[in-house]
This record gives sequence, structure tokens and C-alpha cells, in this order.
Amino acid sequence: DAKTTQPNSMESNEEEPVHLPCNHSTISGTDYIHWYRQLPSQGPEYVIHGLTSNVNNRMASLAIAEDRKSSTLILHRATLRDAAVYYCILRDIVRSSGYALNFGKGTSLLVTP
Amino acid sequence: DSGVTQTPKHLITATGQRVTLRCSPRSGDLSVYWYQQSLDQGLQFLIHYYNGEERAKGNILERFSAQQFPDLHSELNLSSLELGDSALYFCASSLGTNNEQFFGPGTRLTVL
Repeated sequence: DAKTTQPNSMESNEEEPVHLPCNHSTISGTDYIHWYRQLPSQGPEYVIHGLTSNVNNRMASLAIAEDRKSSTLILHRATLRDAAVYYCILRDIVRSSGYALNFGKGTSLLVTP
Repeated sequence: DSGVTQTPKHLITATGQRVTLRCSPRSGDLSVYWYQQSLDQGLQFLIHYYNGEERAKGNILERFSAQQFPDLHSELNLSSLELGDSALYFCASSLGTNNEQFFGPGTRLTVL
């Protein structure tokens, strides 16, 4: 299975943009790139996903490299509530074993006022 | 609130015992997933059910079993409990098999 590599931790100031990187050099053509986050003492929550093109939603933007070997989750204006562990996950929905989420260690984002 | 409910919120039991964790998915969701989160192993996928049928297994021990009932709620049964089974157990649901997953608040299991 393709794996992802993320920095262990990152820090940002409140109201500034945050760029969370993810490397996935062994990604396959049928792998979707998903991002979930886990706020303290809560279950994970979906953030965004994409296949090849950049994606935007109300929570964040996802920028995918042209060769798909890396991606970046962009939080446009970090708030204190965005402090969480962010997980970059590859999901191959062609195979039934790809339906589940394979969480790695993620990036712990600290947001300071 | 994700719409996924899990009971109980906390569970304290002794080694060797058996417990049942319950999950009610969001209305309309057919898939239920179980995950275990421990300090040393992180978040790990255990098992996936879709419309009552088992679809995939992850790192689920033989002492653990699950099922999804006709009303789509699911139960995770943990038996012969060991100290190492202490963890947070999350249930997630999704509409189908490749949609975004919505997670419940989790059940914290403590085995003494």
C-alpha cells in the first residue's frame, strides 16, 4: 500500500495561512488523497479530498502536485480551533481493502494567538 | 455533532472480561467502520460492514468480533480482555463504501 509522509508537528500564528505538506511518492493512479483532522478529545473529521485537480471547500484547499507525488493542505486563516492532528491518507476505492482509512502519525498543528 | 452515536462513553472493566460497544450510524448511512486508537499504535482500522455484511478486516484480534444488524447499528464485542486493549474505540459511518466517513465521539475502554 502506498504510504504518506508528513512532518510530526507545525506551528502557526492565528489568522495566518497554514500549508501542511504530505509526500506520497508511491501513489497509484487509483489513490485518492484524503485529509482528516482530529481535534483534542474528539473523533476524526473529514476535511477534504481530491484525485488530480486542486480542490476547495469551506474548510480548506487541497493543492496536488502535477505528478501527484505530493500534496498540500491549505488553511487560509488559521484559528485556535484549527489546532489538531492532521492526517493525509491515500484511499484506493477500487479495492475493498481501500475503503477503510489508513491513518499514519499525522501532523500536530499548534496555533498560537 | 457528526450524527454518529456511540455507547457507552466510558467503560472500565477487568482483565479477562467481555464487553460490547455499540454504534448507531448517521441516518441513511449503510457503512460502519470500527477503529482503535491507542497511544502506542495510533488510529488503526479494525473492521468494515456494509449493509449488514462484512467487507474488510484490518488489525482486528481474534478475541474481537463485530456485527451490523438489520437496523444498521453495529456492535463490537471484545472478549478475554487484556491490559493492552485499553484504548479509544471509534465508530464511523458513511453513505456507501467510498464516501467521507463521519466519526462518533468514541468509547474509552480501560482494562484494569
